[in-house]
This record gives sequence, C-alpha cells and structure tokens, in this order.
Amino acid sequence: QTVVTQEPSLTVSPGGTVTLTCASSTGAVTSGYYPNWFQQKPGQAPRALIYSTSNKQSWTPARFSGSLLGGKAALTLSGVQPEDEAEYYCLLYYGGAWVFGGGTKLTVL
Amino acid sequence: QVQLQQSGPGLVKPSQTLSLTCAISGDSVSSNNAAWNWIRQSPSRGLEWLGRTFYRSKWYNEYAVSVNSRITINPDTSKNQFFLQLNSVTPEDTAVYYCARDYYDSGDYKFDCWGQGTLVTVSS
Repeated sequence: QTVVTQEPSLTVSPGGTVTLTCASSTGAVTSGYYPNWFQQKPGQAPRALIYSTSNKQSWTPARFSGSLLGGKAALTLSGVQPEDEAEYYCLLYYGGAWVFGGGTKLTVL
Repeated sequence: QVQLQQSGPGLVKPSQTLSLTCAISGDSVSSNNAAWNWIRQSPSRGLEWLGRTFYRSKWYNEYAVSVNSRITINPDTSKNQFFLQLNSVTPEDTAVYYCARDYYDSGDYKFDCWGQGTLVTVSS
C-alpha cells in the first residue's frame, strides 16, 4: 500500500515563508508523479492550487509556488496572509492510481 | 468554464449500494483529454481517491486498490454525466463524496474542477 506523507501541522507568522512537503513511500518524488496541491478550508471542497509540480492554476495567488525539494514535492508560501490558514493536500500519480497525502494543517499566527 | 453538479441520496443502509451522479457542463465526458474522478473524505481516512473513467479512443477505468472489488464508475454519454456505484457499503464508507475532473495536456496532469460534495451516511 503506497503512502504519501505530509507534515501534520505547521505554524507560520503573517508575512513569513513556509514550505510544506510531500513524500512517497516508494522513493523520491519526481515530475513523473505529476504532483498536485490543494487548499481546503472548513466546510468547502478542496481548491486546486498547483499542478504538475510547479504550474499554477489561473486563480492561484503568486505567493504560492511548487517545486521538487530533496526527493519530495514541495509547496512554498511566501508572504503568508491570514487567509492562507487552511488544510493543504498533495496528490501524486502512480501510473494507474492517484494517492492523496494526509494533509498539512497550516496555522497563521 | 467547467462545472460539476453532484446528486444522489445522503443515506444508504449497510450492505446496500451507494450510487451518485455527477453532471458535467462546459466539457464532454467523452473528452480525449479529461478524466472523471470520484474522491471521498472522512475524518478517519482523510481524502481518498476512489477511481476514474476516461475516454482515449475507448473507455478506461482506474480504481483504488482499497475499493477495487466494490466500485464501478461509468459514463453516460447521452446525458454528459458519470456515475459512482459502491457495493456492500459499511459505516466505514460514510464520507463526503466528491467528483472531480483531471485534465491531461502537453505532458501535464491538472485537477482543476470539483463538485460541491455529497455527504453520504451509511446507517440502518
């Protein structure tokens, strides 16, 4: 059973920078896993932010960026805003199945 | 602009079949670039991808191992929608169910559109 692992929780100050990561139990995450990132706020459906590692959706604020970092997919928020407080999920493709990470609860404090 | 509208019962009895529909506007279920997914979310299991259907000169399905023996996802080209059927449900299948589109273009996979979500409770 493939497991995708994210930090359970992170805290960042307003205006700060934070990086969330997404690791695969099968080894290093590469662009071939087509990492997608989503933001979810309470009571809402997930909202797509990043696709195929680093591409922004048309509605994604510029402060969000995606990359590969140390064998993991990464989502970096620069100049964090209070409204960025949310749960963030990554999603990886394993050639026949997509697998979500467990999510990172981001607190802006 | 692509929109997905979900419908279906919010309460299913144990051992019965969960059935949901996702109606598509702004795209075609037979698109050669899109795939049509079902995803669920529960406090115990988080977000869980269940499976998808897509057309690439013929119809394909991909299913999660965890539900592979119980799940069917089918397109309905006449009404431009797709369905989820999950058999032999138990209370562990209680979750919010979402449909979603992923789009493949120029080497990129993009999840870009989600339905509104349907809370399905499995209870007698």
